Amino acid sequence: AQSVAQPEDQVNVAEGNPLTVKCTYSVSGNPYLFWYVQYPNRGLQFLLKYITGDNLVKGSYGFEAEFNKSQTSFHLKKPSALVSDSALYFCAVRDFAGKSTFGDGTTLTVKP
Amino acid sequence: KAGVTQTPRYLIKTRGQQVTLSCSPISGHRSVSWYQQTPGQGLQFLFEYFSETQRNKGNFPGRFSGRQFSNSRSEMNVSTLELGDSALYLCASSLSGQGDGYTFGSGTRLTVV
Repeated sequence: AQSVAQPEDQVNVAEGNPLTVKCTYSVSGNPYLFWYVQYPNRGLQFLLKYITGDNLVKGSYGFEAEFNKSQTSFHLKKPSALVSDSALYFCAVRDFAGKSTFGDGTTLTVKP
Repeated sequence: KAGVTQTPRYLIKTRGQQVTLSCSPISGHRSVSWYQQTPGQGLQFLFEYFSETQRNKGNFPGRFSGRQFSNSRSEMNVSTLELGDSALYLCASSLSGQGDGYTFGSGTRLTVV
């Protein structure tokens, strides 16, 4: 069975500093990997995905994620955090059959 | 273009009743997935429909069912409601449900009393 782990419930960073939100996964075969963000009182929004190709993928709002096959990780990163980045972030893996599993989410707080 | 539309936004039901939730995907999207979101359990996959066929199913009891129509609109039904069914139910659509990202609706907040 596939699984996703987001080891940190909460990540705190200062505005302007780089941020990393961690994600590791387990899936049979080649994974499809995704990051979503949920702002307070708003729906989940797609940020970026990895299907194949370059290990560094770029997404919305200046976010990027690095796929590491040997470590089965797909960490979300941003070079310079904004207060407006504060939200709940979900990592997800999808198998070839199309079944998706989400992590439990990581709350990112960016302080001014 | 219009996003994913879920109706109703809020529902209050009594234990034992049944409920039907509706989801209209983005035009052209053929895959519709349903998720249950609760504070304690996170996002739990219910099922996915593609071209009117259930393609994937999560680990929910048979009280949870769904269907998809020829226009890709989907409905989810929960029968014999239990207090534990109180949750935010999210619908997500995508072109194929494979390598493309989901677009989520705002959800239906179901409260069972």
